[in-house]
This record gives sequence, structure tokens and C-alpha cells, in this order.
Amino acid sequence: DADVTQTPRNRITKTGKRIMLECSQTKGHDRMYWYRQDPGLGLRLIYYSFDVKDINKGEISDGYSVSRQAQAKFSLSLESAIPNQTALYFCATGAQGQETQYFGPGTRLLVL
Amino acid sequence: QKEVEQDPGPLSVPEGAIVSLNCTYSNSAFQYFMWYRQYSRKGPELLMYTYSSGNKEDGRFTAQVDKSSKYISLFIRDSQPSDSATYLCAIAGGFKTIFGAGTRLFVKA
Repeated sequence: DADVTQTPRNRITKTGKRIMLECSQTKGHDRMYWYRQDPGLGLRLIYYSFDVKDINKGEISDGYSVSRQAQAKFSLSLESAIPNQTALYFCATGAQGQETQYFGPGTRLLVL
Repeated sequence: QKEVEQDPGPLSVPEGAIVSLNCTYSNSAFQYFMWYRQYSRKGPELLMYTYSSGNKEDGRFTAQVDKSSKYISLFIRDSQPSDSATYLCAIAGGFKTIFGAGTRLFVKA
């Protein structure tokens, strides 16, 4: 089984809808991250969490919110989706004290 | 100026060639340097990880860091079609990781 899983893998939604992307991990890592990936722009950090009670904004948090329900679960919400949020979204985890990150398979989101 | 610059390619080479992938960065405070490989429709996976300057070798892959020039490289020897992917460099330190935009590599059989 995959160490970092994301659901759904693909999602099509309409402008104004609220959607949630979910991430679960079995690596036992404390740190979890949400990124979006756009062609030519690379990976950009949306939010990150270093433990269950810790939530931090990344460089592009506007229009997004997160919830760390447990050490193993970190969800990303788009409160009112807009077309420029169409992107590939990745969840990642990392061990405390280490800089390396481990990524999920991604969620491909299309906002019409 | 982006904190990490990486040529997007694509880079196309014949099987067996030596591949050189490069990134430059602007902030000398970063101490950790990584290379990730991303296959189409997959998440990035860690390929190489180095701390500070110097070289690190793992099989056909060599990562090189030159902190004086703020330049990091990944060399792939005897490249294989299975190496065809996007390669992302990353720099990290102080709870912050910055990724390059990635270079697409095609290795032709």
C-alpha cells in the first residue's frame, strides 16, 4: 500500500463550489504539506503543519483552508472554487528534523 | 528573480548518454539540496539528498553542490529510457523548501 494517499485522484467542479481534498499517510511523519503544481511554476506551498495543533500558511494560501484531523490526516478545502485554482495538488509528509519530503500521487482538479 | 532557477527543457538524449541537469539559487542560507524525479501523472519522489557542498553518488546518479557559485547539478550516467521524467531540484533550510520548476528529460531508445 502507498505510504501517502490522496483522494480523489481527479475532480471536476464548478465555480463557486466548495470542495475538499484529503490526504492520509502511514509513514508516521509529524509534518504534512499541501502544494499545487502548475506548468512552468513548479511546486508552490499552500499550507503546512508540523503537528496536529500547528497550521501555517504557505506562499499561496488565499482561497484555501486546511484541517489537520490527526497525525495521519491533513485535508485541503477550497471554500469557493475559481477557475485559476485548476491545477495538480500534492500532499507531502516529512519527518521532524529532516528536510526531505514524501509525496502522494496527486489530485488533478479542474474548475469550470 | 526566482529563488531557484531551472531550465524547463525539454532535454532529449540518446540511450547511454551522460545527462547533466542544473539549477541555480540565490539564497546562500540554504544548506540542504535535493533532487526529485517525477514521472508523468505521479508525485515527485526523492532521488538524491546532499547537505552543504560536495558530491554524492548513488549508482548511475551523482549530485553535486557548489555553494560558492550557488549551483547544483545532477548527473545521470548511462541514461536509460526509464529515466525519462521531470527532474526537480529543491533547496531547503530553516523549515523552508523551495522547488525548481523542473526539467523534462527524454531518453530515446
